[in-house]
Amino acid sequence: EDQVTQSPEALRLQEGESSSLNCSYTVSGLRGLFWYRQDPGKGPEFLFTLYSAGEEKEKERLKATLTKKESFLHITAPKPEDSATYLCAVRGAAGNKLTFGGGTRVLVKP
Amino acid sequence: DAGVIQSPRHEVTEMGQEVTLRCKPISGHDYLFWYRQTMMRGLELLIYFNNNVPIDDSGMPEDRFSAKMPNASFSTLKIQPSEPRDSAVYFCASSLSSGVYGYTFGSGTRLTVV
Repeated sequence: EDQVTQSPEALRLQEGESSSLNCSYTVSGLRGLFWYRQDPGKGPEFLFTLYSAGEEKEKERLKATLTKKESFLHITAPKPEDSATYLCAVRGAAGNKLTFGGGTRVLVKP
Repeated sequence: DAGVIQSPRHEVTEMGQEVTLRCKPISGHDYLFWYRQTMMRGLELLIYFNNNVPIDDSGMPEDRFSAKMPNASFSTLKIQPSEPRDSAVYFCASSLSSGVYGYTFGSGTRLTVV
């Protein structure tokens, strides 16, 4: 069974204070590690898909990296609008479903 | 494209009543997923369809839950009878089989059973 664990559960940052979120996973035959952003009252919004160890993707102040056992989401010089819950999910060899972690709630204070 | 459309946005019902949640996926997507989100358990997959056929319903909590996809542009999730522990936000998502553009989620239906 695929499993995803995210840490920390919550993160409070000052504007401009860079940090990283962790996503540890166990999966049979990784066919994609997905990062999503979720704002209160909304559905998860797709950010990145990573497929193989060593792969990196960037979008504005966000950068996602992948190893064989974990992924990191780096937030560089965050702004208050980066406040959200960030979700990590994996798609394994068994089917086309995503298994999600519990998320990291990020609050960026001005 | 308007994205994945779910209705209603909010539903308050009494215990024992039937509840039907609706979803219109993105046109051309061949996979449709129903997820449930709670504070305690996070996002859990309930069931998913490929080309309108149910593939995996192992996440459906019990026989009170049922889902259908009569055509490529419509799906329903029904709870009968509803119970207070069913209170959650229910999300529908759709994707292409490759998943390369991610899975697109709707805005969700917040269900409260009193």
